[in-house]
Amino acid sequence: AQSVAQPEDQVNVAEGNPLTVKCTYSVSGNPYLFWYVQYPNRGLQFLLKYITGDNLVKGSYGFEAEFNKSQTSFHLKKPSALVSDSALYFCAVRDLWDGGSQGNLIFGKGTKLSVKP
Amino acid sequence: EPEVTQTPSHQVTQMGQEVILRCVPISNHLYFYWYRQILGQKVEFLVSFYNNEISEKSEIFDDQFSVERPDGSNFTLKIRSTKLEDSAMYFCASSADSWNTEAFFGQGTRLTVV
Repeated sequence: AQSVAQPEDQVNVAEGNPLTVKCTYSVSGNPYLFWYVQYPNRGLQFLLKYITGDNLVKGSYGFEAEFNKSQTSFHLKKPSALVSDSALYFCAVRDLWDGGSQGNLIFGKGTKLSVKP
Repeated sequence: EPEVTQTPSHQVTQMGQEVILRCVPISNHLYFYWYRQILGQKVEFLVSFYNNEISEKSEIFDDQFSVERPDGSNFTLKIRSTKLEDSAMYFCASSADSWNTEAFFGQGTRLTVV
């Protein structure tokens, strides 16, 4: 069965420093990978996705993520963190070969990003 | 920018009562979903809906739950005979395509069963 792992419950970064939020996945076929962000008392906002093509994908708010097939990873990155980036980040996957799945997302448990001034 | 809207934002109900959570997906989207997030836990898939029928459902989505698209705009989740453990944030989402397009999520309805 497909799954997503976010090994860190929390990531702490100083403002201006680069940040990385880790994600690894397990699927039976080719993955479609997504990152979402959740601010307090808000819904999930789409950040970026990997479908095919370049392994480095760029998304909203200066975030990017690198797809690494050999390591089955899709880590979220940003060169310079802002205090306003503090939120809960979710990695998600769709498995193309999941017996006819209509595209539901499998989410990781989330990583809380805290950016301090 | 088009968005998914959900009502109400917060629903408190007594155990055993029925609740209906409402969603208006983005107008040109074809696929609709319900997810839930129990406090402090991961977001879990409940059900997907396409072409006026359920296309996939999780183990969570048992006979207590039902979905409906009563008209061209609304998408509802009905929970019958609510239990304490149904307390969660329920998210509606929609996407234009099932595979390579992102799902857009609503703000959620916080359901509290007392």
